[in-house]
This record gives sequence, structure tokens and C-alpha cells, in this order.
Amino acid sequence: NAGVTQTPKFRILKIGQSMTLQCTQDMNHNYMYWYRQDPGMGLKLIYYSVGAGITDKGEVPNGYNVSRSTTEDFPLRLELAAPSQTSVYFCASSPGGAGYFGPGTRLTVT
Amino acid sequence: EDQVTQSPEALRLQEGESSSLNCSYTVSGLRGLFWYRQDPGKGPEFLFTLYSAGEEKEKERLKATLTKKESFLHITAPKPEDSATYLCAVQASSNTGKLIFGQGTTLQVKP
Repeated sequence: NAGVTQTPKFRILKIGQSMTLQCTQDMNHNYMYWYRQDPGMGLKLIYYSVGAGITDKGEVPNGYNVSRSTTEDFPLRLELAAPSQTSVYFCASSPGGAGYFGPGTRLTVT
Repeated sequence: EDQVTQSPEALRLQEGESSSLNCSYTVSGLRGLFWYRQDPGKGPEFLFTLYSAGEEKEKERLKATLTKKESFLHITAPKPEDSATYLCAVQASSNTGKLIFGQGTTLQVKP
């Protein structure tokens, strides 16, 4: 099992550009999550999904969108990137309890 | 609103000096409390799940305990390799989809 994989590992965006962060899990977990982590801070929940076709907002959803068409994939879309979205983004999946995290995507918006 | 607060923010210990990290939570019915370890530049790594007050879990030098309002991560005789950020998260019975994290405690163990 590869677990949770995220691409890309690093990305630099210009203000106003858009991009999609990819997340895939091969553990057949129903629950999937997107978090952001700013330097020295904990994890803030952006969006989560309890199954294919079902998504819900977390603590900091503004500026982001998600979709969940399959159990395996949970992409995060950034529209009109802003400097405030500079962060490390983590995807996680869970069978219903503890989450298992991917390695993260480091995003810089300049 | 579900909330998790961890203290202290940072902790420096000498090798062998035992201590505890605190995780206080406010949640509408606790379904589970989780402890993670995060090394710099990496994703959080799952350590423990606690479900009910009085429960304890152990792994090597780490022991996690749970009361109705807080959890402690006890570190006994720490080694430099225990240096990391330790994160606490809760899941509410009313919304089992959400995992809410605290801000973490950064532990440094000096040889």
C-alpha cells in the first residue's frame, strides 16, 4: 500500500493563478480531509468528505473548492491564489477514527 | 464550537528528564481523541487513540491518558530522538467526519 499520496511536493504560484492539489489514497477509506499548516501552527481543516459525492466545509474553506467523485481521490482546487494561501497543505484519510496523512504540498504564492 | 488547546507551546528537556504535555478539549460528545507526532517537513504520524475517560495507551517512552476534559501525553526518560511536535486532535460524536487539531507542542530533548 502506498497510503496517502500528494502531488506536487512543491509549487510556486503567482497571485491570481489557479491550481489543483492532488490527493489519492489506496486504503479504501471513506473519510478524507484537507488541512493547511502555517509555520509554528497546528492544522486547520479546510474541507472534508465522508464518502464519494459528499463534501463539507471545515474551519477555513474560503478560497478553496473540493470534489470527491471516487473513494480514492480528493483534489483541492485553489482559485485566484492569494499570498494568504502560502502554506503547507496536508491530505489525510481515515476509516472513521484516526487520520493517516500524506507527505504534504508546500505552496508559495508570490 | 469544538475546540482543542495544547500546552505548553514549546518544551525543552534534558535527556532523561520526564514531563507531560497537555491537551484540553471542548467537544459536543467525544467520539475519539488522537495523538500524533510530526517531524519537521513531514506529515503527522499517528500515535494513539483514546475513547473514554480513564483509558490509557502506551508506546515505548510515551503514555497517553484521558479525562473528561483533557488528555496528557507523558514522556518518561526522553531521548533526543523524541524531539518533534506532538499534536492532539478530537472527533465529536455529533460529527464524526471532522478531526479538529490543537496547535501542537514542540518538544526538544537535549543530550
